[in-house]
Amino acid sequence: DVQLLESGGGLVQPGGSLRLSCAASGFTFTNHAMNWVRQAPGKGLEWVSGINNFGGSTYYADSVKGRFTIARDNSKNTLYLLMNNLRPEDTALYFCAKDLSFNFNYFDSWGQGTLVTVSS
Amino acid sequence: EIVLTQSPATLSLSPGDRATLSCRASQSVSSYLAWYQHKPGQPPRLLIYDASNRATGIPARFSGSGSGTDFTLTISSLDPEDFAVYYCQQRSNWPLTFGGGTKVAIK
Repeated sequence: DVQLLESGGGLVQPGGSLRLSCAASGFTFTNHAMNWVRQAPGKGLEWVSGINNFGGSTYYADSVKGRFTIARDNSKNTLYLLMNNLRPEDTALYFCAKDLSFNFNYFDSWGQGTLVTVSS
Repeated sequence: EIVLTQSPATLSLSPGDRATLSCRASQSVSSYLAWYQHKPGQPPRLLIYDASNRATGIPARFSGSGSGTDFTLTISSLDPEDFAVYYCQQRSNWPLTFGGGTKVAIK
């Protein structure tokens, strides 16, 4: 079975940094693009960032461009999201999401999420 | 960025009813549209991709249609487990975007 386990969330002050991780298992990691999607409290889903299967192409929502960096370590089957200069509006549950394929850009498996709270 | 507008915001129905959810794109997304179901405390679940293809394990009561800018998710006969929030998502252009969601509530 596919498993995606996020970690690294927590409480951080505005302007601070966090690194989220997503440990993947149960599928061939190098065959799939990966993404981060978030849900702010009481709000809908927002796509944050994506990376292709070998890490050569990355994509970002305008709201995080220049502040967040997505990366993957295929030797460890792990996806990362480095978040800098965090803002209160970045407060959300962050989901790791597996692509249907190497670049299909639909998400067929999701983790349970890790909560990021940006507050002073 | 492509804006996806879902309607209605809330649909109040009874088990056994037919549900029809709409998603309209601000510009053509061809058939590059997916639908997800999201229940509280659970991760979202992919239902439909490329407008009309059911994802693995999705019951036949879920169907999708449309192309260009207008799309529909139909649940032919609501099961009690189908009451949830439904989102559409486009992959035609970066950035990927989601609609605001339609909540299917028990009447």
